[in-house]
Amino acid sequence: EVQLVESGGGLVQPGGSLRLSCAASGFTFSSYEMNWVRQAPGKGLEWVSYISSSGSTIYYADSVKGRFTISRDNAKNSLYLQMNSLRAEDTAVYYCARAKVYRGWYFFDYWGQGTLVTVSS
Amino acid sequence: DIQMTQSPSSLSASVGDRVTITCRASQSISSYLNWYQQKPGKAPKLLIYAASSLQSGVPSRFSGSGSGTDFTLTISSLQPEDFATYYCQQSYSTLRVTFGQGTKLEIK
Repeated sequence: EVQLVESGGGLVQPGGSLRLSCAASGFTFSSYEMNWVRQAPGKGLEWVSYISSSGSTIYYADSVKGRFTISRDNAKNSLYLQMNSLRAEDTAVYYCARAKVYRGWYFFDYWGQGTLVTVSS
Repeated sequence: DIQMTQSPSSLSASVGDRVTITCRASQSISSYLNWYQQKPGKAPKLLIYAASSLQSGVPSRFSGSGSGTDFTLTISSLQPEDFATYYCQQSYSTLRVTFGQGTKLEIK
């Protein structure tokens, strides 16, 4: 069974840092591209960051570029999001999502349960 | 970035109704359009990929159509468990996907 379990969320002051983790199991993690998606309270889904299966290709949303860093450790079946210079508008539930490429089509077929990040003084 | 606009933003319907949700892209995205369902406090769940392909395990009352810039998600006969928020997602820009703002489907 595919499982994605996020951790590391919590309350942090503006300007602070936090590192999120996503533990993957039930599939060959090193074969899949991964993403972080967030959802502010009562709002819609916002894509945050992408990382290729090898970790060699990385992209960020403009809203987090220069402040967030995505990484992965395929030996540990884990995905990470290092978040620095946090702002109130970064408050959200953060989901890790597995990307599936099937016959050229690309979609997120498995999601974690999410971890809440609250940026407040 | 490609902008995705859903309509309506919210919708009230009754069990057994046929419901259609629309998603429009700011530029042509071929059929690179996915639909997700999200229930309160839960992660999104993939319903449809490639505009019209039903994800494994998803009931056949869900269907998708469209290509280019205009897409629809149809639920043929609403069931109580279908009341949720629905999101479209473009994957034409594979490495920079974007979502619609969501459509909240509520019980009338």
